[in-house]
Amino acid sequence: GNSVTQMEGPVTLSEEAFLTINCTYTATGYPSLFWYVQYPGEGLQLLLKATKADDKGSNKGFEATYRKETTSFHLEKGSVQVSDSAVYFCALSGPNQAGTALIFGKGTTLSVSS
Amino acid sequence: KAGVTQTPRYLIKTRGQQVTLSCSPISGHRSVSWYQQTPGQGLQFLFEYFSETQRNKGNFPGRFSGRQFSNSRSEMNVSTLELGDSALYLCASSFQGSNEAFFGQGTRLTVV
Repeated sequence: GNSVTQMEGPVTLSEEAFLTINCTYTATGYPSLFWYVQYPGEGLQLLLKATKADDKGSNKGFEATYRKETTSFHLEKGSVQVSDSAVYFCALSGPNQAGTALIFGKGTTLSVSS
Repeated sequence: KAGVTQTPRYLIKTRGQQVTLSCSPISGHRSVSWYQQTPGQGLQFLFEYFSETQRNKGNFPGRFSGRQFSNSRSEMNVSTLELGDSALYLCASSFQGSNEAFFGQGTRLTVV
């Protein structure tokens, strides 16, 4: 079946450091891929998405490229801020699937210090 | 416009009881999905409703059920509560034809 694997956290960085959170997936066909962010005590917010191979999703300085050949969707940001501290989830929505039955990775906690 | 609204935000129930959680989607969204979030299992898909019909279902026991009303509001019910049902229950809504899900803040259920 479909699955998502994320790098284990926590990830601890200093402000302005470069961030990479690895995400790989298993799915047949071409799923849609997402990154969600969860701040303490909150629900999930969609950060970015990509729906086909080589698409690059970007938002708020975060980027991720849909790599079919490596089945990956790694999240990157060039310079993190303290306000980026949160839990980040990689997710997929199965190909040819109506609706939004998302499959999530376990989440990666990011902590940024000043 | 208003986001996804979940009520109540917090609940404490006793083992063996049942509970009903409510979700009001973003205006115009007709799809509502539910997720369970626990520290051990992470985020797991429960079910999705569209136009009052269950469209997708995750791998949860029959104690977990849901429904959707004609105004797209949704409820989920958990019967015969177990300690392991303690979790954050998240609801998400999406526009017809879109797979972008917008999440509510969740209902924190504690079973004692």
